[in-house]
Amino acid sequence: SQQGEEDPQALSIQEGENATMNCSYKTSINNLQWYRQNSGRGLVHLILIRSNEREKHSGRLRVTLDTSKKSSSLLITASRAADTASYFCATDAGNTGKLIFGQGTTLQVKP
Amino acid sequence: SQTIHQWPATLVQPVGSPLSLECTVEGTSNPNLYWYRQAAGRGLQLLFYSVGIGQISSEVPQNLSASRPQDRQFILSSKKLLLSDSGFYLCAWRASVVSNSPLHFGNGTRLTVT
Repeated sequence: SQQGEEDPQALSIQEGENATMNCSYKTSINNLQWYRQNSGRGLVHLILIRSNEREKHSGRLRVTLDTSKKSSSLLITASRAADTASYFCATDAGNTGKLIFGQGTTLQVKP
Repeated sequence: SQTIHQWPATLVQPVGSPLSLECTVEGTSNPNLYWYRQAAGRGLQLLFYSVGIGQISSEVPQNLSASRPQDRQFILSSKKLLLSDSGFYLCAWRASVVSNSPLHFGNGTRLTVT
C-alpha cells in the first residue's frame, strides 16, 4: 500500500520562483526521504530527514517534518528549468527495511 | 564506489512468455535489495525486498517472483506474463548496516507486454 501522498500532483512555475511540495503519511516513521526522477530514469536521492528532526537544508532544498501531523514539505528555492522533474517522498519505518513511496509531484519550471 | 546495474533497458514481450530481469550491485556487501514497479505517471509500488541471500519479502500478491541467488544479485521473474505486468521496473539497493540510509536506484527496465 502507498503510505506517502504528495500534494499537489502537478505544479507549474516560472524560473526563479519557489516550489513547495507536500507529503502526508499514515504510520510512525524512522525517517522520511525525498527523491527526484527525471523522465524515464531511475530515482535520485535528494535529502533525508530523521523523525527527531524538524527542518533540514541542502543547497536550494529545504525540508520540514511535522510528526504530529504526519506531514513533510519540500521547498525548492530559486527554481531553474533543470529542476523540472517528478519528486517523491518515501517513508522508512526503520524496522523492516521497506521504503514506501507516494504518488509524486510533477514539477515544471518554465524558462 | 558503489554502482548498480539493471538490464535490459527496454523489453517487449508477448503475453504468456516468461520474464527475467537482472540487477547487480558492485562495491558493497550485504545490501538490502528492492524491486519496484511504476505505472505511467504514477508512484512506485514496492514489489519485493531482500535483506539477505535467499530472504525475499513479497509486498503484493501477483504474477511475479524474485530471487537472490548471490549477495549482490537480485532477479525478478515471471513464468507467464500478463498485459497488466507492463510498466517501468526499478531495482534499488541500500546499505543494511547503516541506519537511515537512502536508496540507490538503477536506470530501470521498461517492459511492454503485447
